Amino acid sequence: LAKTTQPISMDSYEGQEVNITCSHNNIATNDYITWYQQFPSQGPRFIIQGYKTKVTNEVASLFIPADRKSSTLSLPRVSLSDTAVYYCLVGAIGGFKTIFGAGTRLFVKA
Amino acid sequence: KAGVTQTPRYLIKTRGQQVTLSCSPISGHRSVSWYQQTPGQGLQFLFEYFSETQRNKGNFPGRFSGRQFSNSRSEMNVSTLELGDSALYLCASRPDTGTSVDEQYFGPGTRLTVT
Repeated sequence: LAKTTQPISMDSYEGQEVNITCSHNNIATNDYITWYQQFPSQGPRFIIQGYKTKVTNEVASLFIPADRKSSTLSLPRVSLSDTAVYYCLVGAIGGFKTIFGAGTRLFVKA
Repeated sequence: KAGVTQTPRYLIKTRGQQVTLSCSPISGHRSVSWYQQTPGQGLQFLFEYFSETQRNKGNFPGRFSGRQFSNSRSEMNVSTLELGDSALYLCASRPDTGTSVDEQYFGPGTRLTVT
């Protein structure tokens, strides 16, 4: 499994757009990039997954450059309830992503 | 569909005892995985079961074991508990492989405290 590197923490204010970048230099050809969100004392929740270019859903967007060595999770207009830990994972569909890493602790202020 | 359920939600045990945690996956999901989460080590993978067989295993001692039943429900057992086993134990299920989106669905966890 490709190792991922993310910032340990980020601060933002309500209403701002937040971009969290994940580095995965050793990503394999059949690997996808998946992001999870976790609130304290809860299990992680799937946010978004992508392979290349851009993926958007009702919660977030995921930007993946052509070389796929990094990816950026974009959260538009964050609110206080977006304060959480965000994990980036890399692995093959049908394979198994076992390494969550330390994640990025996002703190949204009023 | 009901989500992943875990029982019990909270548990207090004494060092040296053993404990069994239970997980019921989402209906139709055959893969169940277990994770241990602690403030110091983060989220660490314990093992994965698929169709009653252990398919993947993390780097934990043999005191940690699990099993899966024919209805996909899974149990995790920790024997000879140590203080360091105090953690949030999370169970996750996912659909069969081959789906275009490979997401895991996590339960609320069991908070185990070892005294």
